[in-house]
This record gives sequence, C-alpha cells and structure tokens, in this order.
Amino acid sequence: ETGVTQTPRHLVMGMTNKKSLKCEQHLGHNAMYWYKQSAKKPLELMFVYSLEERVENNSVPSRFSPECPNSSHLFLHLHTLQPEDSALYLCASSQDVWETQYFGPGTRLLVL
Amino acid sequence: AQSVTQLDSQVPVFEEAPVELRCNYSSSVSVYLFWYVQYPNQGLQLLLKYLSGSTLVKGINGFEAEFNKSQTSFHLRKPSVHISDTAEYFCAVSDRSSGTYKYIFGTGTRLKVLA
Repeated sequence: ETGVTQTPRHLVMGMTNKKSLKCEQHLGHNAMYWYKQSAKKPLELMFVYSLEERVENNSVPSRFSPECPNSSHLFLHLHTLQPEDSALYLCASSQDVWETQYFGPGTRLLVL
Repeated sequence: AQSVTQLDSQVPVFEEAPVELRCNYSSSVSVYLFWYVQYPNQGLQLLLKYLSGSTLVKGINGFEAEFNKSQTSFHLRKPSVHISDTAEYFCAVSDRSSGTYKYIFGTGTRLKVLA
C-alpha cells in the first residue's frame, strides 16, 4: 500500500459506544495529524504528533483521545460522542511538522 | 492571526471553459501557499504549492496558481476544465512568521463543471 490509509472508511456508533479510528502512513514521515471536516466549516486541526510526541492539542474535548505508538501509526479513540461529532475525520502526515501534508481518504463518522 | 478567505463557495462552469478560484490571505510575511482538491468521498490531494521562487506555480491536472504578494492572493486557474474536475478545492496557508508554521485552511470552493 502507498500513501496514507485510514480504517474504517465509514463508522456508525451510538453515544455510549467506544470505537477507534486508525491511520497508517507508508511515506516515512515523522509528523501526523488528525483533522475534523464538517459541512460548511473549515478543516479543524485536532491533534499533531511529531516523532510520536503530541505537539499540539487544539482544545479538543476529552471524548477524543489520540494515540501514536510509532511514527507510522496514529489512532483516535472515541468515547461517549455526541451527534455533533458526526463528520469526516481526516488523517495527514508530513516529513516534518508543518511541511507539505499528505492526506488519507478519511473516516466518515455518524453518531446516533 | 493569519486567515484564509475563499470568497466563492460554489463556482459553476461549462466544460472546456476557463476557471479561476480565488484565495486571499491576511498577511504576506513569510508564507507557504497550497491548493488541495477533494473529490467526493475522498481525502485531500495536493494540487500545487508555493514555497519560494517563481510566482507562477504549475500543478497536477493542468492547474496553475500565481502568488501575488502585493494583493496577498494565490488564485487557482485552469484554461479548460473537464467534467472530472468537479470537486471541492481548498486553499491553505502555512504562516512561517509565527514560528509554528501552522496550516490555515479556507472554507473551500465547490467547482461544478457542467456538460
């Protein structure tokens, strides 16, 4: 596989469920990102990791919990989400922090 | 703080006609500029970027953009569009002067190419 992959591509969950989103990059990059894309709003940066260390957390609610076990993998753990959390969640990676970013296809999340 | 404005939320255009998608940013000091395209049900794909050098940047799929420092603009152009260009286009700025180089995205322009 090449580039940035995300699984699952679609996810429906209830407000009491716990689920995780997975991102994997095959580009040898050192930085990874989670973005939230909602209709008619700019992309919202959620988290930034550089060499497995979190370097930015943009006031994201604690029901979203990121994990970066190594420079190729990034997870977003979801717990007791709200319907307004329904969105497309995009993962990206770059060689180093804030260099040109390459995006995965996203996970379309629906919270019921 | 840096901001990015894409004035047109939607742009309809007929096939084989030229198109320009507008992007303005708030500060011209030390910026990198990007255009991304997002096809339905996909992530963002880099179209082109301006880091330094020539102000006219050529990207994939026949697109180009011109960095205009005095007008703080980075408009995207294509001389002849195809149906397959129908997608959402995002302008992004990386503000190097802030020291964080954070990406700021515009709200996007939906290009609809009509047969």
